[in-house]
Amino acid sequence: GAVVSQHPSRVICKSGTSVKIECRSLDFQATTMFWYRQFPKQSLMLMATSNEGSKATYEQGVEKDKFLINHASLTLSTLTVTSAHPEDSSFYICSAGTGGFSTDTQYFGPGTRLTVL
Amino acid sequence: GENVEQHPSTLSVQEGDSAVIKCTYSDSASNYFPWYKQELGKRPQLIIDIRSNVGEKKDQRIAVTLNKTAKHFSLHITETQPEDSAVYFCAASGSYQLTFGKGTKLSVIP
Repeated sequence: GAVVSQHPSRVICKSGTSVKIECRSLDFQATTMFWYRQFPKQSLMLMATSNEGSKATYEQGVEKDKFLINHASLTLSTLTVTSAHPEDSSFYICSAGTGGFSTDTQYFGPGTRLTVL
Repeated sequence: GENVEQHPSTLSVQEGDSAVIKCTYSDSASNYFPWYKQELGKRPQLIIDIRSNVGEKKDQRIAVTLNKTAKHFSLHITETQPEDSAVYFCAASGSYQLTFGKGTKLSVIP
């Protein structure tokens, strides 16, 4: 089956620093990857859609200058949380579809737990 | 945009009983409806999905039904086992993105 990896699994950083999270599709090419944020005991909220070779599409209310997304290849997308603050602490999960549309099956990475002190 | 409502938010069943989780969606253009199972601190795992050209789909103890006219779909788990305990999310997708329900915490009591 389709496998998506995410690194790191857990990160603790000081307020004001930047953190990069990598999402990789291991056995398939992903034209589109999605970045979600999940607060404890809550649902997944889509932050942005990452398209290989073009700019990401951000959801309303998500600051594009704070959450930088780069989709440099068909197997790698990165999310950089810039100048992180405690309110950015959350579980960040990426997903990738095996085709080019959201109606393709999405497979999720294992998530990254970010804690900002 | 799409809005997905999911009920109940919590569900407790005795081992061996059936569990049913229901979702409604608002966008009639949505045509893909996956269900994910998420254990604490882990990734959501796709357990079953259905597309709008199908009314029902079954995979062993898990089944999903779709009523496009009423815009609702349901997850049915039969012969529940303790390892079925988790949070289950429904989602709906049209041409742009997956919209998730708020989740149902299922507890299967041995």
